Amino acid sequence: QKEVEQDPGPLSVPEGAIVSLNCTYSNSAFQYFMWYRQYSRKGPELLMYTYSSGNKEDGRFTAQVDKSSKYISLFIRDSQPSDSATYLCAMGGGGGADGLTFGKGTHLIIQP
Amino acid sequence: GAVVSQHPSWVICKSGTSVKIECRSLDFQATTMFWYRQFPKQSLMLMATSNEGSKATYEQGVEKDKFLINHASLTLSTLTVTSAHPEDSSFYICSARDRGGDQPQHFGDGTRLSIL
Repeated sequence: QKEVEQDPGPLSVPEGAIVSLNCTYSNSAFQYFMWYRQYSRKGPELLMYTYSSGNKEDGRFTAQVDKSSKYISLFIRDSQPSDSATYLCAMGGGGGADGLTFGKGTHLIIQP
Repeated sequence: GAVVSQHPSWVICKSGTSVKIECRSLDFQATTMFWYRQFPKQSLMLMATSNEGSKATYEQGVEKDKFLINHASLTLSTLTVTSAHPEDSSFYICSARDRGGDQPQHFGDGTRLSIL
């Protein structure tokens, strides 16, 4: 079993829809959680990060963490074609001093 | 803020050549930088953790004599792929954390390495 599981997609939705992306993990040592967006041939761009269970909102993005279920989600409201990219979940422990463990990434396509 | 610059963005070279990749934090100081590798349609895999002024910590299965890491200042880490072979062809990405508190990692735009 991989440490972090993420459906690679592709996930195709119409413009304006609410997008739900998620990851599951098995390592209880993970204490902080991130979502990155990656365009082709580019490095990951940080979208959200959180250290606790619950919800965190930033504009059209909401990150949700459920440590008891080892499940994290990213919601994108009012999706735009420019949101089309690969979304990577990442997690780590050790107060941020450790490297991150990434999911495989979900390829998201927003249809105009 | 939190910009990480990586250079070069693309390298093609012959087998047996050594290649150096630079990672710079432009607007913050990073005591810790990380090097990842990403193969096509795969997730980023951590190769090593680079700490300013000390030896890098390598992940299991990563050859430290092949992937030389130097973190000589708070804004620069370098990765040298020594005697590169075609199987070393990959997308190499660095990240850096701002020091102080619980700060997330910010990534460079990666270096695409192709060994002929």
